[in-house]
Amino acid sequence: DAKTTQPTSMDCAEGRAANLPCNHSTISGNEYVYWYRQIHSQGPQYIIHGLKNNETNEMASLIITEDRKSSTLILPHATLRDTAVYYCIVRSANQAGTALIFGKGTTLSVSS
Amino acid sequence: DGGITQSPKYLFRKEGQNVTLSCEQNLNHDAMYWYRQDPGQGLRLIYYSQIVNDFQKGDIAEGYSVSREKKESFPLTVTSAQKNPTAFYLCASGPGQLSNQPQHFGDGTRLSIL
Repeated sequence: DAKTTQPTSMDCAEGRAANLPCNHSTISGNEYVYWYRQIHSQGPQYIIHGLKNNETNEMASLIITEDRKSSTLILPHATLRDTAVYYCIVRSANQAGTALIFGKGTTLSVSS
Repeated sequence: DGGITQSPKYLFRKEGQNVTLSCEQNLNHDAMYWYRQDPGQGLRLIYYSQIVNDFQKGDIAEGYSVSREKKESFPLTVTSAQKNPTAFYLCASGPGQLSNQPQHFGDGTRLSIL
């Protein structure tokens, strides 16, 4: 797997946008960027994934730079319930059927 | 709703006892996984199965056993040989091969020793 680098922690005020960066400078052309989050005492929750185009769903937006060496997960209006550890993972479709490798992620703290 | 169901949510094991954690999925996924998470730590792979009637050991399989008799089910047994079983156990499922679709996780089972 290509390695990712994320800040250890970030803070965000409730109602503001949370922008979580991820560096994946060694990503291969066929590798996707996946984002998960883990709220305390729950299982990891899939958020979004993309290859090279920006993606948006009901939870978040994913912005991938043109050179694909970094990406940003955007939670447009953060709430207290978004406080969690956020993980950025890169892997290819060839790796389907193998285990995910989670790094240390970014602990996002949303406060009122 | 499609998803992964783990049960029970909390489980207590006595010394020398085997316990079985249930994992069921209705996502029609070929692959299923068991991970272990210790406090403040990342996920470690115990066992995984890419297809019915086949499974492979992960990084920390000692003291655990699994079966995959049905596509939807992948139970994990924590045997008495596992000397430090207290942890948060997570089951996941995902596409078997050549797919960019994500893995999904259950809500976990927290196992403690009495």
